[in-house]
This record gives sequence, C-alpha cells and structure tokens, in this order.
Amino acid sequence: EVQLVQSGAEVKKPGESLRISCKGSGYSFTNYWIAWVRQMPGKGLEWMGIIYPADSDTRYSPSFQGQVTISADKSISTAYLQWSNLKASDTAMYYCVRGWSGSYSYFDYWGQGTLVTVSS
Amino acid sequence: EIVLTQSPGTLSLSPGERATLSCRASQNIISNFLAWYQQKPGQAPRLLIYGASSRATGIPDRFSGSGSGTDFTLTISRLEPEDFAVYYCQQYGNSPWTFGQGTKVEIK
Repeated sequence: EVQLVQSGAEVKKPGESLRISCKGSGYSFTNYWIAWVRQMPGKGLEWMGIIYPADSDTRYSPSFQGQVTISADKSISTAYLQWSNLKASDTAMYYCVRGWSGSYSYFDYWGQGTLVTVSS
Repeated sequence: EIVLTQSPGTLSLSPGERATLSCRASQNIISNFLAWYQQKPGQAPRLLIYGASSRATGIPDRFSGSGSGTDFTLTISRLEPEDFAVYYCQQYGNSPWTFGQGTKVEIK
C-alpha cells in the first residue's frame, strides 16, 4: 500500500526556521516525484514545487521560489519542506503528494497533511 | 499562469440527483492535462480523474470527467451521501500547475 506519512503539527514564531518531512512507503521512492501543496485556512490548493528524489532535480512555482526549500534523502525515502524565516502568512496545512513527472503531473497519493501555525 | 475558474461555487442537491461541475481555463490546456480531486472536511484531497476523463484507481463509475481545450466537466451521475464534499480541478499542462477555487457540493 502506497503511503505518504508526514511529520506532526508545528507551532512556531515569526522569524523562526522549520523543516517538515514526508516519508514514502509501499512503492519505489526514487521512481516518482514528490510535490508539496499548500492550503491556507479555509482556502484552496496551491502547488509549491516538486522534487525527483533519485537525483534531487527540483522545480518551484514562481510564487514560492526563494520562499521555501524542497529537498529529499532517498536513503530514507523522505522528502522535506523547509523555511528559514517563517511569517504569519505561512500558517497553513501543507500536503506532500506523489507526482509522475517534473513537467506534467497530477497527484495520485496524498499525505495526511502537516499543520503549520506561525504566531507571535 | 493558467487561471481555472470553477462554477458554481456551491451546488445544493439531494442524494440520488446528478451533479455537474464546471472548470474553465484561461488558456488552452495541452493534451487535456486536467485532474479532479475531492476533499472532505478534515481530510486530504483524493484524486478522482486525470487526463480529463480517466478515473483513478478505486473511483466509482458514477464519477466521470469530460471536456477539452478550455472547458471541462465533472459529472456525478447519482449522488451518494459520501459524495458531499468540495471538488477541485487542477491543470498540469503548463507550469506553474494551478488549481481552481473549488465547488462545494452540499446536501439540499
């Protein structure tokens, strides 16, 4: 069974750094891409970026380029999303999702989500 | 960036009725690279349809997708109680990949 298991909820202060994780299992982690999708409270879905764990090829949505860093450690089948300077506007649910391609990808499996709350 | 506009914003229907959801793109979507997702409260979204009309694994055949170019439709032939949720379309033909704002299907 394909599973993406994300790290738990986080509460942080503005200016702090954070890294959340997503561990894949039940499939060959290096044969697929992993993307991150943001959902702000009560809002819709936004694609942030995508990584190919086999070689760490990474593409970002222009809206998120320079705002976050996506990485992966293929040895432990885990992808990461990190911030170096959190803002209150980063408060959201973040989903990791499995993708098929770095150029054209829908998302067939979703993690359970990680809620990030940034508040002073 | 391709903007996807979903309509209506909210659809109020009874179980057993037919639901027709629309997704219109600001530009042509190449190769019909359009997906539909269902999201229930407190849950992650679930893939329903990809390639505009292909059902994902395990999705009941009451869900169907159609359309091409800039106009796409998700149809639920007979609403079951578990189908009341928010539905999103996503285009993945042009980066950045984008989602529509969602259509909520609620019980009338």
